[in-house]
Amino acid sequence: AQTVTQSQPEMSVQEAETVTLSCTYDTSESDYYLFWYKQPPSRQMILVIRQEAYKQQNATENRFSVNFQKAAKSFSLKISDSQLGDAAMYFCAYRSTNTGNQFYFGTGTSLTVIP
Amino acid sequence: DVKVTQSSRYLVKRTGEKVFLECVQDMDHENMFWYRQDPGLGLRLIYFSYDVKMKEKGDIPEGYSVSREKKERFSLILESASTNQTSMYLCASSFQSRGSGANVLTFGAGSRLTVL
Repeated sequence: AQTVTQSQPEMSVQEAETVTLSCTYDTSESDYYLFWYKQPPSRQMILVIRQEAYKQQNATENRFSVNFQKAAKSFSLKISDSQLGDAAMYFCAYRSTNTGNQFYFGTGTSLTVIP
Repeated sequence: DVKVTQSSRYLVKRTGEKVFLECVQDMDHENMFWYRQDPGLGLRLIYFSYDVKMKEKGDIPEGYSVSREKKERFSLILESASTNQTSMYLCASSFQSRGSGANVLTFGAGSRLTVL
């Protein structure tokens, strides 16, 4: 099974500032998908952003962007202009294109936004 | 606009009780999943199903079973609940297209189970 590592259990950021959450993964596959999910306190897990491994261009969704380094097997999430509503647990996830039914998750990073 | 519904947000059960956690999705997804979420451990896959009456074990299936009699419904069963099964349980669903970026997980709100 693929492993996904999030080395930062907790992070904090000042409102309106930028923060980067780290994620690394281990795989021998060349084609796969990577995701960042957000879980606000006591609320549903939602998809933030996705990246296809064969695309070199980093994905962007409004204030959220990724830095995908395929050779380094790194997939970090950058949140710009942080808002109070960004406070949540963030999970990095991997999905194979060969065994596309399974998703592998990291242990999560708890983000606090300081007013 | 609810797409994945878990029947109970909070449950309190006694050791040895049989527990049913129900999950229903209205997106016609082929795949359905049950995860367990614990602090510091992230999400761990218990079971998943890729079709009606089909199931596959995930990483931590011991002490759990599942049932999928209809495409939209996936049930997690704890035959004899134990205190170490106190946790948050997340149901999710997805399409089955292996090569498609559209194959993303949609989650339910979660069921927090406490076993006393």
